[in-house]
Amino acid sequence: DQQVKQNSPSLSVQEGRISILNCDYTNSMFDYFLWYKKYPAEGPTFLISISSIKDKNEDGRFTVFLNKSAKHLSLHIVPSQPGDSAVYFCAATNPMNYGGSQGNLIFGKGTKLSVKP
Amino acid sequence: DGGITQSPKYLFRKEGQNVTLSCEQNLNHDAMYWYRQDPGQGLRLIYYSQIVNDFQKGDIAEGYSVSREKKESFPLTVTSAQKNPTAFYLCASSTGHGAEQYFGPGTRLTVT
Repeated sequence: DQQVKQNSPSLSVQEGRISILNCDYTNSMFDYFLWYKKYPAEGPTFLISISSIKDKNEDGRFTVFLNKSAKHLSLHIVPSQPGDSAVYFCAATNPMNYGGSQGNLIFGKGTKLSVKP
Repeated sequence: DGGITQSPKYLFRKEGQNVTLSCEQNLNHDAMYWYRQDPGQGLRLIYYSQIVNDFQKGDIAEGYSVSREKKESFPLTVTSAQKNPTAFYLCASSTGHGAEQYFGPGTRLTVT
């Protein structure tokens, strides 16, 4: 059973516009969420994270929003650039679950973003 | 420069052969992880180690083995028992359980 879901396998956006990538989770014990960006044949790179005590975290063009009641988070990229074209993975964890599997990062299946010039 | 290295980038093996993938980190991280990525499957956890000389099975450990004799190294052996070994393998490390993980560049293994 998937605990972290990215329901859109792909997203196409025009350069300069906003990209919104969505992620849903089912486990209410998750309290730390991360977004990773991955180019083909490379390892994922950490992008931005958010703790459950916040509902928003911003870093330059990237903003992550967390809605705990809906178990939903989203990544906004504004403005989108062609170099943002990549697969974006959402991940969730419970850092206090020492020794338990919930302390690991649980990844969604990813959303492929294409930003067209 | 601190980071995670995986070698080789591409690896080819014949069916029935065991193969070991290398992962080294100089970030002084306690925890290390192995994932495989298949098209449309995201990242699936194979094994993880929170400390030297200790490791735990992940979600898809069957057909794989690991060792953690040194803090810097976490090699993964893909055995002949792994039914579908062809995949992109990613190693990661972190300061601890639940922290951000930093990934290596990956190894593409092709078994024919």
